[in-house]
Amino acid sequence: DTEVTQTPKHLVMGMTNKKSLKCEQHMGHRAMYWYKQKAKKPPELMFVYSYEKLSINESVPSRFSPECPNSSLLNLHLHALQPEDSALYLCASSQGVWGNEQYFGPGTRLTVT
Amino acid sequence: QKEVEQNSGPLSVPEGAIASLNCTYSDRGSQSFFWYRQYSGKSPELIMFIYSNGDKEDGRFTAQLNKASQYVSLLIRDSQPSDSATYLCAVKDGGSQGNLIFGKGTKLSVKP
Repeated sequence: DTEVTQTPKHLVMGMTNKKSLKCEQHMGHRAMYWYKQKAKKPPELMFVYSYEKLSINESVPSRFSPECPNSSLLNLHLHALQPEDSALYLCASSQGVWGNEQYFGPGTRLTVT
Repeated sequence: QKEVEQNSGPLSVPEGAIASLNCTYSDRGSQSFFWYRQYSGKSPELIMFIYSNGDKEDGRFTAQLNKASQYVSLLIRDSQPSDSATYLCAVKDGGSQGNLIFGKGTKLSVKP
């Protein structure tokens, strides 16, 4: 089973709202990732968690705040977003960070109005 | 700047033909290579990974890796209209934890 789940599937939020994206995996993976994907572009890495600790932050603005409550869950807290932050937000997981296959969830389609 | 290059396409092949997708990469330290299929509006789906030089086959898919030439390819035999999608080549950054470097993707269209 290589399933990563994400909620919600779609999210529309205003620029003053606070919302959270959730991701869950039950494959025993110890690395989890957040990516952002704009239309007709490849995914861009935002954050990497390894053994529940943040190991990579790709210079993401502070209006995006990741959280890893346990080894199965990953959250992305959103606050004061801009319309240009509208994108598909993808969660992925892998056994470890060094070279293992990454499996993506279905994504959350975010629209900022 | 580490790069992964793919022909953006579209690559159009008739049903039943072999589709050949190619990818080159710049980081000689890379050891792990992945092919993802992405349908329009959906998330990327891992279809093949390869770590050693040579060929790796899985059903209708064959991945080929040549580290000396820094080249990785994906062959799809007996192409079906359902194979029509964007195929993303991804290469693990040899010097960074977890970082996949993606190509821009090749759009494949299989005509019935």
